[in-house]
Amino acid sequence: GENVEQHPSTLSVQEGDSAVIKCTYSDSASNYFPWYKQELGKGPQLIIDIRSNVGEKKDQRIAVTLNKTAKHFSLHITETQPEDSAVYFCAALKGTDSSYKLIFGSGTRLLVRP
Amino acid sequence: DVKVTQSSRYLVKRTGEKVFLECVQDMDHENMFWYRQDPGLGLRLIYFSYDVKMKEKGDIPEGYSVSREKKERFSLILESASTNQTSMYLCASYLTPGLAGPPYNEQFFGPGTRLTVL
Repeated sequence: GENVEQHPSTLSVQEGDSAVIKCTYSDSASNYFPWYKQELGKGPQLIIDIRSNVGEKKDQRIAVTLNKTAKHFSLHITETQPEDSAVYFCAALKGTDSSYKLIFGSGTRLLVRP
Repeated sequence: DVKVTQSSRYLVKRTGEKVFLECVQDMDHENMFWYRQDPGLGLRLIYFSYDVKMKEKGDIPEGYSVSREKKERFSLILESASTNQTSMYLCASYLTPGLAGPPYNEQFFGPGTRLTVL
């Protein structure tokens, strides 16, 4: 079945630096890759996503890149701020005719030091 | 705004008790999901439902069952709670993409229920 691996498990950066989180997936049929941010005491919230026909997508300080050949996708956060501190999850969508399932990575705890 | 609500934020139960976790969404989504979240293991799918009265096992269904009698409500049931079911439980819902709209939709999560089984 589909498997999504996420690295690193924890990441500590200085405010203003960049942060990169990487994921790999196993099923070449996966065609949609969202990233979720989970703040303390809350459920995960979508922050950016990318489809398999796109190589890169950017939204202000956040960007996601996808390498379909290598089955890699990454989240890039530039000019990090303390409010970026959270747990980040990558996911890959596997859809069938009757159902859609997101397979999640194990999460990355990002700490942005002021 | 899509809203996914869960009946309790914190729950403490004893081993052997039957436990019900309730989830309600207000946006007419067909698909609903139950995950458990444990440190280092990410979000693991327990069960999901893509229609009323329909259910499918996820990756870790053992010890759990679900009920979907109405479209907006998806219940997770622990028939006989055990200490290894102590975890954060997250409910989510998702609108099946239509033919005319974008091919993918956002999956929305509830705030979670932190269950402790003593």
